[in-house]
Amino acid sequence: GAVVSQHPSRVICKSGTSVKIECRSLDFQATTMFWYRQFPKQSLMLMATSNEGSKATYEQGVEKDKFLINHASLTLSTLTVTSAHPEDSSFYICSALTGKYYGYTFGSGTRLTVV
Amino acid sequence: QQQVKQSPQSLIVQKGGIPIINCAYENTAFDYFPWYQQFPGKGPALLIAIRPDVSEKKEGRFTISFNKSAKQFSLHIMDSQPGDSATYFCAASGRETSGSRLTFGEGTQLTVNP
Repeated sequence: GAVVSQHPSRVICKSGTSVKIECRSLDFQATTMFWYRQFPKQSLMLMATSNEGSKATYEQGVEKDKFLINHASLTLSTLTVTSAHPEDSSFYICSALTGKYYGYTFGSGTRLTVV
Repeated sequence: QQQVKQSPQSLIVQKGGIPIINCAYENTAFDYFPWYQQFPGKGPALLIAIRPDVSEKKEGRFTISFNKSAKQFSLHIMDSQPGDSATYFCAASGRETSGSRLTFGEGTQLTVNP
């Protein structure tokens, strides 16, 4: 089946630095990618939707200048957390739409800790 | 209208028991209802999904029951095992919803005791 490879699985960075998270679709083309944030014992919160070659659509309350999403190819989408602060520490998960309307494959997630 | 309400928040059963997790939705444009299993530190994995043209779907030990008129659906796990201990999320989506986005329930923490 469709696989989305997400890296890194864990990252620790200093406050004020930027971190990039990559999601690659293996063996299929991901025209639409979703980025989620998950706090401990909570549900997944959609941050943004990206379509290949287009600007990402951000959910209300998500700072687009802080969470930069690039979906320049059909197999790679990246999320860059800029000027990270401790409150950005969270579990970030990407998901690719595998069908025209349905079918979602999730990455394995990235645990970001900002110190 | 985009919410999906999930209950219970947590559930403890003995091995071999049949945990049942329930979800309710409001948006009648939803026409795809998946269930995901998530282990700590991992991304969600699809367990089973249903479309509203059927009332029940079984895959192995997992069964979805769907009640379109009540706008409710539930997950049943037959012969539960300790390895089923995880967080379960229901979700909903539809081609009419913006960008085919998934709306998730709040999650259920399932513990299966040996």
